[in-house]
Amino acid sequence: DTAVSQTPKYLVTQMGNDKSIKCEQNLGHDTMYWYKQDSKKFLKIMFSYNNKELIINETVPNRFSPKSPDKAHLNLHINSLELGDSAVYFCASSPGRTDTQYFGPGTRLTVL
Amino acid sequence: AQSVTQPDIHITVSEGASLELRCNYSYGATPYLFWYVQSPGQGLQLLLKYFSGDTLVQGIKGFEAEFKRSQSSFNLRKPSVHWSDAAEYFCAVGAPHTGGGNKLTFGTGTQLKVEL
Repeated sequence: DTAVSQTPKYLVTQMGNDKSIKCEQNLGHDTMYWYKQDSKKFLKIMFSYNNKELIINETVPNRFSPKSPDKAHLNLHINSLELGDSAVYFCASSPGRTDTQYFGPGTRLTVL
Repeated sequence: AQSVTQPDIHITVSEGASLELRCNYSYGATPYLFWYVQSPGQGLQLLLKYFSGDTLVQGIKGFEAEFKRSQSSFNLRKPSVHWSDAAEYFCAVGAPHTGGGNKLTFGTGTQLKVEL
């Protein structure tokens, strides 16, 4: 059973398009996250939701909009894609404030 | 704000040799510290974590790490490296958030290469 899953695994698209990445966790965790890993493998948090409520919103362009329809799902929608959005996006979840985060397999986004 | 420094970008060791990956952190309170490993094309897998208590923590795959508050360090060690340990290793510090969850700040990673 996959604990944290993401779809799609690969996403190739043109500049200016809109795309979404989906994340689901079956661990029963309250908190979910989105991280971006750039071409130099640097990982940075983007957003976090706790019980469907946005609690962490880092300095991310408004073109990125997370949505959490329920505790088990956290989606990331990106409008007007730019070349600089090319990266690997990781979803993660954790049970609480001081607990381990469990990561999904990542979605490699390539913007042409 | 918290930060993590991994001074070594690349490390090469021979199979069977010992390994130490360095990690220094900056955080105003008691830190929650983690080591994750990322194999090529894969997600991040937790190796071990330190929350409190014994400063020497054991993890999976034979890894251990020692928390040294006086040196703000959390170095990862393994007595005998296997070829399958070749991967990218990330140290991270976690800051609990009042709204729930915690914010992980990662170091820039250390790429480990194992020579046969």
